[in-house]
Amino acid sequence: GDSVTQMEGPVTLSEEAFLTINCTYTATGYPSLFWYVQYPGEGLQLLLKATKADDKGSNKGFEATYRKETTSFHLEKGSVQVSDSAVYFCALTPSNAGKSTFGDGTTLTVKP
Amino acid sequence: DSGVTQTPKHLITATGQRVTLRCSPRSGDLSVYWYQQSLDQGLQFLIQYYNGEERAKGNILERFSAQQFPDLHSELNLSSLELGDSALYFCASSVDGHLNYEQYFGPGTRLTVT
Repeated sequence: GDSVTQMEGPVTLSEEAFLTINCTYTATGYPSLFWYVQYPGEGLQLLLKATKADDKGSNKGFEATYRKETTSFHLEKGSVQVSDSAVYFCALTPSNAGKSTFGDGTTLTVKP
Repeated sequence: DSGVTQTPKHLITATGQRVTLRCSPRSGDLSVYWYQQSLDQGLQFLIQYYNGEERAKGNILERFSAQQFPDLHSELNLSSLELGDSALYFCASSVDGHLNYEQYFGPGTRLTVT
């Protein structure tokens, strides 16, 4: 079946540091890929998405590129802020069914 | 605010009991998803409904059931509750049952089984 593997956390960075959270996936066909963010005490929110190979999703300074050759969708941000502290989930939705698969989540803490 | 509402926000109940969690999707969304989030198992997909019909099933226990009503709201029924059922239960909705449509998550219902 489908699977999503995320870099284990927690990740602790200083403000303005560069962020990478790795995500690789296993799926048949051409899934859509997503990054969701969960702030403390809240539900998940879509951060960005990509629906086909080589697409780059971007939002709020975060970026991720759909790499089919490496089955990866790594999340990056050039300069993190304290307000980016949250749990980040990588997810995929396959091209022919409704069942989404989420990674285990990576907790990011940004210190001033 | 995602536009997805869930009630109740918190629920405390005893082992062996039955509870119903309710979800109202965003206006216009036809698909509803249920997830369980616990500390030891992460975010687990339970079940998806699209326009009243079951579309996909994940790791949903036989003690759990769900349905989507004609007005598109959904209910998740949990019965014979066990301590291990304590978790956050999220509902999400999307425009369509397919797949490059992002899901919008509700704030969750925190269930505590004592």
